[in-house]
This record gives sequence, C-alpha cells and structure tokens, in this order.
Amino acid sequence: EVQLVESGGGSVKPGGSLRLSCVASGITFSNAWMSWVRQAPGKGLEWVGRIKSKTVGGTADYAAPVKGRFTISRDDSRDTLFLQMNSLKTEDTAVYYCTTDPPGRPFDIWGQGTMVTVSS
Amino acid sequence: QSALTQPASVSGSPGQSITISCTGTTSDVGSYNLVSWYQQHPGKAPKLMIYEVSKRPSEVSNRFSGSKSGNTASLTISGLQAEDEADYYCCSYAGRSTDVFGTGTKVTVL
Repeated sequence: EVQLVESGGGSVKPGGSLRLSCVASGITFSNAWMSWVRQAPGKGLEWVGRIKSKTVGGTADYAAPVKGRFTISRDDSRDTLFLQMNSLKTEDTAVYYCTTDPPGRPFDIWGQGTMVTVSS
Repeated sequence: QSALTQPASVSGSPGQSITISCTGTTSDVGSYNLVSWYQQHPGKAPKLMIYEVSKRPSEVSNRFSGSKSGNTASLTISGLQAEDEADYYCCSYAGRSTDVFGTGTKVTVL
C-alpha cells in the first residue's frame, strides 16, 4: 500500500521560514515524480510545485505565487520529499499535501496533509 | 495562471445524473488532453477520479465519466448516490510544467 506522511507544519510569523517533509512508502520513490498541493482554509486546491525523478533530471517547477520563495527537493536514500518555504506570507496559510505525480496521471496518491499558519 | 472556472454548486436526487463543467482557455484545457478530476470529502485528502480527460483509475466506480469539448471539460456522475456528496475539483496541465486547478464544485445529493 502506498503511503505518504507529511510533517513539519506549524505556526510562523510573516517573513519566516518552515520546512515540510513527506516520507513515502510502498513505492519506488527514486522513480517517482512528486508534487505539493495546498488548500487555504475553506478554499480550493492550488498546485504549488513538482519535482521530477533524478532519472529525468530531478528538476523542479513552481507555481507563480511561490516561485523564488519555495524550494522542492528530495532525498531518495530516505524516500523523503521536502518543501522549504522562505519569506512566508499570510496568504501561504494552508494545508499542504504531498502527492505522487506520475506523468499523465497527476496527483495520484495524497498524504493526509500538514497545516501551515502564517500569522503575526 | 487563473483558476479554471467551475459552478459553485450542483445538486441532484439519488439515481439521477449530474454534470460538472470546468472551463479554461486555449492555454490549458483547450490545448492538452491532460484534464483530471478529484473528489474531496470534508476533512479528507482529495482522491483522483478521472485523468487524461476520460480515464478512470481501476478503483473508481464506472458511474464517474469525463469528457472534453474545446476549452471546457466535464465530469458526469450517473446514478447519484449519497456517498457522492463532496467537493469536486478539475485540474489541467497549463504548459511549461505547470498545472492549474478549478475553483471547485460542491455536489449535494437531495
């Protein structure tokens, strides 16, 4: 069974930083494309960014609102995905979901999400 | 990149069919057959229901079907059941390795 478990959420002041983690099991993580999707309280889903597998370069792409502030990385030896969030804004407050993201079948499997609150 | 447009709510009686629309532009829905749909129950993570416009994961009921015409994609739920009451989101590839979600639709089973 595929399982994704996020951690690292919490409360932070505007301008602060936070790093989220997502541990995967039940998949060959090194071959997996992965994404982060967020959902502000009471709002819809928003794609944050994705990272490809190292076999196709391991590059990351980002949504415009987070580009230059957020960085997605991966540690294949630990089956772990990361989201480094810097210069946080109040509008970044959301539940952050880790998802598998195979080409053509986006956001296939989801974690349970981790809450990030940015407030002064 | 603006969110795809969905109706805020759609309702139907048990056994009926309903259709949820998802309108984008020639930069996303209209250019790629890479539209997917997600079901989200309150307090739960979303679940993939349809991918590549009309393909269905094996674990998803065949009561769910997808289609696309021009810049608008659609999700149809046939034989509506109480358990189908949830929020539904479409998503489309938007080029340059980016994706865009729809605004979301609340489905109510009367």
